[in-house]
Amino acid sequence: EIVLTQSPDTLSLSPGERATLSCRASQSVTNNYLAWYQRKPGQAPRLLIYGASSRATAIPDRFSGSGSGTDFTLTISRLDPEDFAVYYCQHYGRSPEMFTFGQGTKLEIK
Amino acid sequence: EVQLLESGGGLVQPGGSLRLSCAASGFTFSTHPMTWVRQAPGKGLEWVSTIGAYFDTHYADSVKGRFTISRDTSKSTVSLQMNSLRVDDTAEYFCTKDAFVGNGIWDPFDYWGQGIVVTVSS
Repeated sequence: EIVLTQSPDTLSLSPGERATLSCRASQSVTNNYLAWYQRKPGQAPRLLIYGASSRATAIPDRFSGSGSGTDFTLTISRLDPEDFAVYYCQHYGRSPEMFTFGQGTKLEIK
Repeated sequence: EVQLLESGGGLVQPGGSLRLSCAASGFTFSTHPMTWVRQAPGKGLEWVSTIGAYFDTHYADSVKGRFTISRDTSKSTVSLQMNSLRVDDTAEYFCTKDAFVGNGIWDPFDYWGQGIVVTVSS
């Protein structure tokens, strides 16, 4: 089982700034099967990125994903006030038992 | 419009049972695996169980032998029967739909229900 470790646990930034969130896997992720989700209080998680770098439907282009192997990054180019939330990375793949999540990074307003 | 509507949550004593249901609409239900994900208070997201389009079932070790997932294609519903509930099963449970079909892998989740709370406490 791949263990995902996200950093930092909390990131304090201001609207308009650039956010960089990290997700590190305990072993190499096959075919970049790595997704990112956003969760706001009182709302269900929303899929942002799949395949490490492909934006999901209707996701603004200020969100981008990158990385390969064991190191992955979610970048938000210019923070909008609605972007402050908790972000999770997820591994997926050839069996459902591969569904694992990172512990989350809370992006808060500075 | 894709919709996933969960029902059946609530308060139950340790050792008790509860059945969650998820009514799906807005997509071809029969072709998509469906998954339950949960989030305990103050914790992260945790995969619970998946049922494939061909009714194959998969469980996290933490619930194996206690939970049973099923689907009814005629009603477009997926259910999670939870038995022998423990305090650490307390969580918000989400019904989710996988994003793609036919690509040979188990995909991330592009639609989630609004979540339903299960509280296991005496």
